[in-house]
Amino acid sequence: QVQLVESGGGVVQPGRSLRLSCAASGFTFSSFGLHWVRQAPGKGLEWVAIISYDGSNKYYADSVKGRFTISRDNSKNTLYLQMNSLRPEDTAVYYCAKGPVAAAGTGWFDPWGQGTLVTVSS
Amino acid sequence: DIQMTQSPSSVSASVGDRVTITCRASQGISSWLAWYQQKPGKAPKLLIYVASSLQSGVPSRFSGSGSGTDFTLTISSLQPEDFATYYCQQANSFPLTFGGGTKVEIK
Repeated sequence: QVQLVESGGGVVQPGRSLRLSCAASGFTFSSFGLHWVRQAPGKGLEWVAIISYDGSNKYYADSVKGRFTISRDNSKNTLYLQMNSLRPEDTAVYYCAKGPVAAAGTGWFDPWGQGTLVTVSS
Repeated sequence: DIQMTQSPSSVSASVGDRVTITCRASQGISSWLAWYQQKPGKAPKLLIYVASSLQSGVPSRFSGSGSGTDFTLTISSLQPEDFATYYCQQANSFPLTFGGGTKVEIK
């Protein structure tokens, strides 16, 4: 079955960096666009970024543009999110999710990983 | 950005009740809408995509309708496992955006 497993979360000071990973299995990883979506504690869902099947196209939410970088390694079936210049408002559970198509297109998220918590605090 | 507004923000219902949740987009999104269910401490789960297509494995008591700016998620007969928070999401344009959520609670 399709499985996504995030890792790399933790507590980090404001202004520092963190890299999240998402290991995928159960589907042809290199054939689908992939997303990061986050959820602040007790809050709703916020889309963060998408990357196309081959990594050639990427889109970001304005709230993270210029600070976060989405990437993928198709040889390792792994998605990444490099987060720089972290702010307290970036504190959230970060989910990776599979898109329905290869392109970095709009669409829905299915399935989702279990999430990894990032806490930005001094 | 397209704003998604869900109502109500919470609803109290009993097992067997029919529950309807609405989602309104700030501009037309055709049928590019998805619905998710999220239980506490868990990741969201896709229920409905393209406004009315039931995701594989999702019980038929869930249904979606609408197009343009107004959409509805209906649970025809609420079951104990359906108590959760539900989110709509527009899939029409970037940035992809979600509604604020509707919490379905036990009456």
